[in-house]
Amino acid sequence: DGGITQSPKYLFRKEGQNVTLSCEQNLNHDAMYWYRQDPGQGLRLIYYSQIVNDFQKGDIAEGYSVSREKKESFPLTVTSAQKNPTAFYLCASRDTEGSIQPQHFGDGTRLSIL
Amino acid sequence: GQQVMQIPQYQHVQEGEDFTTYCNSSTTLSNIQWYKQRPGGHPVFLIQLVKSGEVKKQKRLTFQFGEAKKNSSLHITATQTTDVGTYFCAGRRYYNQGGKLIFGQGTELSVKP
Repeated sequence: DGGITQSPKYLFRKEGQNVTLSCEQNLNHDAMYWYRQDPGQGLRLIYYSQIVNDFQKGDIAEGYSVSREKKESFPLTVTSAQKNPTAFYLCASRDTEGSIQPQHFGDGTRLSIL
Repeated sequence: GQQVMQIPQYQHVQEGEDFTTYCNSSTTLSNIQWYKQRPGGHPVFLIQLVKSGEVKKQKRLTFQFGEAKKNSSLHITATQTTDVGTYFCAGRRYYNQGGKLIFGQGTELSVKP
């Protein structure tokens, strides 16, 4: 979706290094989400945020951290504590108004271990 | 925890054949959404089903929500090469905090011309 920008598209992490994945949206959505996608698996929720300055752990939050200082931005840090970080990371946002509220996804970031 | 199981994991069809993917939830859902992810792309919203027994159509795609609101299916009639991709169902529970979706594992569809 044009309204959500993830960067970089590809990222490589060295042992013991923290890396940060960027997610920016101009859709004026309150809710934002981070998912991890592994081959043959569905999307697993890492963290989500319903409003600025508030976020909640998802199903696989260990080894990750987030911040939500601005409505438009929801960066994800993959810490050295995440031992198996190689995956495709997807950011999404949702308009909390209306009856349908689909999630809109960015193009994703592929993270690999060096 | 609550799961949404989706089958099959892979489906290979000849162009023109039909295709169906099924989702089953361990608990009753408030609603279910379907997404399509093209190879190398990101999931794109297709549709949402809310009512028990609901059936919706989008051209060659037919979506159903079970009477108990625990299962759903997507059927594609006469597949085309443009249908290639992975189809995900995603359920939402009642009293859902944060609008979270529980995604199925996805069904990867390949279509042979």
